[in-house]
Amino acid sequence: EVQLVQSGAEVKKPGESLRISCKGSGYTFVSSWIYWVRQMPGKGLEWMGRIDPRGSYSNYSPSFQGHVTISADRSISTAYLQWSSLKASDTAIYYCARLVSGTLDVWGQGTTVTVSS
Amino acid sequence: EIVLTQSPDFQSVTPKEKVTITCRASQSIGSSLHWYQQKPDQSPKLLIKYASQSFSGVPSRFSGSGSGTDFTLTINSLEAEDAATYYCHQSSDLPFTFGPGTKVDIK
Repeated sequence: EVQLVQSGAEVKKPGESLRISCKGSGYTFVSSWIYWVRQMPGKGLEWMGRIDPRGSYSNYSPSFQGHVTISADRSISTAYLQWSSLKASDTAIYYCARLVSGTLDVWGQGTTVTVSS
Repeated sequence: EIVLTQSPDFQSVTPKEKVTITCRASQSIGSSLHWYQQKPDQSPKLLIKYASQSFSGVPSRFSGSGSGTDFTLTINSLEAEDAATYYCHQSSDLPFTFGPGTKVDIK
């Protein structure tokens, strides 16, 4: 079974750093791009960026460029989303998803990030 | 950036009724338009890919149509389990954007 399993919920303070993860299984991890999607409380889906796990080439939405970093470690089939300095406005659920033939066919369960002083 | 708009924002529907949701793109995207269903407290799920192709395992009451800038998701004979928010998503040009969502509620 193809799965993306994300790391658990996080509670952080403004200014702290954070890295969340997304581990793929049941398929060849390097064969598909991984997307990251944000969903703020009660809001819709926002595409943040994507990474090609083969060579770690990444693209970012202009809305997120410079504020987050997407990376991957193909040796452990894991993609990451990280912040160096969190803001309260980063409070959201973050999903990873697998891109196959232009569509997001498998999604992770989501990681809830809460940033509060 | 390609902007996707959806209508309606919200729809309250009786079981067995037909539901039609539209998605309009700010520029032509060919058929690179996909539909996702998100139930409360769940991850989104792919329903329709490339405007009209049903994803594996999706009930036949879900169908999609359209090309260019105008697209439609149709749910024939709505069931109670279809209560969810439906999003369109384009993969024609970066950044890949989502529509704002249409919430379907069961009366």
